[in-house]
Amino acid sequence: DIQMTQSPPSLSASVGDRVTITCRSSQTMNNFLNWYQQKPGEAPKLLIYTASRLQSGVPSRFSASGSGTDFSLTITSLQPEDSARYYCQQSFSKPYTFGQGTTLEIK
Amino acid sequence: QVQLQQSGPGLVKPSETLSLTCAISGDSVSSNSAGWNWIRQSPSRGLEWLGRTYYTSKWYIEYADSVRSRTTITPDTSKNQFSLQLNSVTPEDTAVYYCAREVLYSGPNRVDSWGQGALVTVSS
Repeated sequence: DIQMTQSPPSLSASVGDRVTITCRSSQTMNNFLNWYQQKPGEAPKLLIYTASRLQSGVPSRFSASGSGTDFSLTITSLQPEDSARYYCQQSFSKPYTFGQGTTLEIK
Repeated sequence: QVQLQQSGPGLVKPSETLSLTCAISGDSVSSNSAGWNWIRQSPSRGLEWLGRTYYTSKWYIEYADSVRSRTTITPDTSKNQFSLQLNSVTPEDTAVYYCAREVLYSGPNRVDSWGQGALVTVSS
């Protein structure tokens, strides 16, 4: 199975800040990488697919990049509603696997 | 806009069978461009993919090795839904279970729609 490792496990930032979350896979997987946002009591929501494509309806302050084994999600101009847990997920091979998540707190 | 509505008991006794159903609206379980997944989430295991079914000229069903021997995913075209059965459950199977739609054949796959989630507790 492909192992997905996210960092940091948690971070705290202020409204208007820029933050970056990284995701590393245990083997190369081209750009078969998705990012999800999950708020308490809700299902995950797709933000980014194919490593860098913004899902319809997602604000443009979310962006992502990467290929191979190293990927990142960047959120610019943080808003209070961005407080959530963020997960990367690989769809390169089954079983699909997720990172352990990064909790973003807005101060 | 696809909507997925989950149903099933929230409490299952150890060694018994967990059964959940996911009713689909706004899409078809027989779609040639969608896969229908079950994913669960627990504090100890995080998000864990369990399996999926999809139709491309014939039905395909795939399972994670971790649950393969005791899992059945079944599509139901008459009701436009799919189901999950997990046999011989233990407290380790306590989790929030999600059904989810996966976009296929439009670049790399991604899960773009999720059910509301169902907390299933395994306890006597």
